Amino acid sequence: GQQVMQIPQYQHVQEGEDFTTYCNSSTTLSNIQWYKQRPGGHPVFLIQLVKSGEVKKQKRLTFQFGEAKKNSSLHITATQTTDVGTYFCAGQRMNRDDKIIFGKGTRLHILP
Amino acid sequence: NAGVTQTPKFRILKIGQSMTLQCAQDMNHNYMYWYRQDPGMGLKLIYYSVGAGITDKGEVPNGYNVSRSTTEDFPLRLELAAPSQTSVYFCASSYSLVQPQHFGDGTRLSIL
Repeated sequence: GQQVMQIPQYQHVQEGEDFTTYCNSSTTLSNIQWYKQRPGGHPVFLIQLVKSGEVKKQKRLTFQFGEAKKNSSLHITATQTTDVGTYFCAGQRMNRDDKIIFGKGTRLHILP
Repeated sequence: NAGVTQTPKFRILKIGQSMTLQCAQDMNHNYMYWYRQDPGMGLKLIYYSVGAGITDKGEVPNGYNVSRSTTEDFPLRLELAAPSQTSVYFCASSYSLVQPQHFGDGTRLSIL
């Protein structure tokens, strides 16, 4: 079945450093969504990417959808302690009336 | 507008007991989902529903049952609780399969 793989599983960065998490699919995706889950909280929707090569920004966060629509990335510039949490990508297969599949997430820890 | 409401927030069960986790949404979403999240892990889909009267299995349905008699409610039933079902359970809803999912705060369930 379809898999959505995320790397790395964990990342520790010094506050102020940049952070990137990658999401890869074995099949072409119709769209990809990103969610953030704070420790002890629930996943919260961040953004959705639909178009090939699409890039969207939210303040210090940059989201990218690959040209082949099989991969995506989330980049955080100059991390802050408020960025701590787990970042999930979730993708839906192209041409399939199917539910989205969540990756296992990347847990970000910020060192002060 | 409460969004997705889950009850209870916490519960401890003995092995073999049964219980129902409640989930209600007031956004008139057709799609509803149940996930479980084990400590430090990602989200695993248990069951989902595309509308009242329609349910389907997810990745890990064994040991659980669901029903969807109304658009608003999507309860999850554990018939014979087992220690392996200790987890955090999230209910989510969305307007469509491609629209973002809105999550409840979760139910933290321990089975001893």
